[in-house]
Amino acid sequence: ETGVTQTPRHLVMGMTNKKSLKCEQHLGHNAMYWYKQSAKKPLELMFVYNFKEQTENNSVPSRFSPECPNSSHLFLHLHTLQPEDSALYLCASRGERGTDTQYFGPGTRLTVL
Amino acid sequence: TQLLEQSPQFLSIQEGENLTVYCNSSSVFSSLQWYRQEPGEGPVLLVTVVTGGEVKKLKRLTFQFGDARKDSSLHITAAQPGDTGLYLCAGPYAGNNRKLIWGLGTSLAVNP
Repeated sequence: ETGVTQTPRHLVMGMTNKKSLKCEQHLGHNAMYWYKQSAKKPLELMFVYNFKEQTENNSVPSRFSPECPNSSHLFLHLHTLQPEDSALYLCASRGERGTDTQYFGPGTRLTVL
Repeated sequence: TQLLEQSPQFLSIQEGENLTVYCNSSSVFSSLQWYRQEPGEGPVLLVTVVTGGEVKKLKRLTFQFGDARKDSSLHITAAQPGDTGLYLCAGPYAGNNRKLIWGLGTSLAVNP
């Protein structure tokens, strides 16, 4: 399988649940990103990992916990979420060479009840 | 603060029409990228413009980077329903090209 994959594609959870989003990239990239996409807002960068090390945390609430066990996999662990956290969560990867192009997965549509 | 403003926010046209959407900033960018996002999918890169005044063509899509590298436009000729989607522009943060600044996007609907 090529590109960037994300699972699950859709997730409905209650505010007391714990769930995890998974992202896998098959492009040999070293940088991976989590974004949140909400209506009427630009893409919001949440976390950046470079060579498995977190290099960016954009003041994301602690109820979102990222994990990057290797350069190909990225997780976003969710717990005690709020309804306003409902959004499309996008994962992206980027290579070290060339332009700033980021390659996106299809996203996980999250609904918090 | 670097910002990217896209206009119009929404556009609904008939198949066969031409259209132009804009991406503007008061800041200079080293490059700008255009992505298209279809419903239920992530954004997909269409083109990167790097040189001021540059024009790039991708079939019926023409991209232009402003001479001062502060703005860009996307022109679609004879739009088709398959062009429907959210068009996003993005540019690298000054001094940190691992991060992108994103516009809000133009949501385009092409009706048959």
